[in-house]
Amino acid sequence: GAVVSQHPSWVICKSGTSVKIECRSLDFQATTMFWYRQFPKQSLMLMATSNEGSKATYEQGVEKDKFLINHASLTLSTLTVTSAHPEDSSFYICSARERRFGWDNEQFFGPGTRLTVL
Amino acid sequence: SQQGEEDPQALSIQEGENATMNCSYKTSINNLQWYRQNSGRGLVHLILIRSNEREKHSGRLRVTLDTSKKSSSLLITASRAADTASYFCATPHYFGNEKLTFGTGTRLTIIP
Repeated sequence: GAVVSQHPSWVICKSGTSVKIECRSLDFQATTMFWYRQFPKQSLMLMATSNEGSKATYEQGVEKDKFLINHASLTLSTLTVTSAHPEDSSFYICSARERRFGWDNEQFFGPGTRLTVL
Repeated sequence: SQQGEEDPQALSIQEGENATMNCSYKTSINNLQWYRQNSGRGLVHLILIRSNEREKHSGRLRVTLDTSKKSSSLLITASRAADTASYFCATPHYFGNEKLTFGTGTRLTIIP
């Protein structure tokens, strides 16, 4: 159980286009979903936290108009990178937290999306 | 930065040996977690240890936690080639918070 999927697994796009990444919890309802960014050989940096039906909370330094997050249901969150530029190229990973875990904040991660902006 | 640090940054050992990696963090925590990441993939949760626990085992994994020193260690015994991955510790942004801060990671290579 506790499987999280991401789609697409990789995407190449031209500068100026927008890219949407989907994150789904397949067998559980996610209280909260998280979006991370990871540069090569570096750690994960939290970008934003999204809760179903409410606006996402962005970390300091993350442009909310650049990275649009929609959490339409308890099993789906989307990240849209708007007007992508080469510096947005990165590995984007989502994770989900299951409601029943209470104080234990274990997160289940998707396989990640490799974005390359030309 | 609230990010924790892991030590060593990289570790190469022979298959069958034990691997130990350490994590230091900065905030007060209610638990600490360890995750594994294979190259180019998402993270897999390995183990969670609560702040009132000093040691926890799961299969070939042994985790210790010293809240007075704000440090944790992950020991992998009898390593296998499949253990080759990056390992991250993660702590709540602050006590009880659902957001996680990840350490810098240790890249473990098991030499067959």
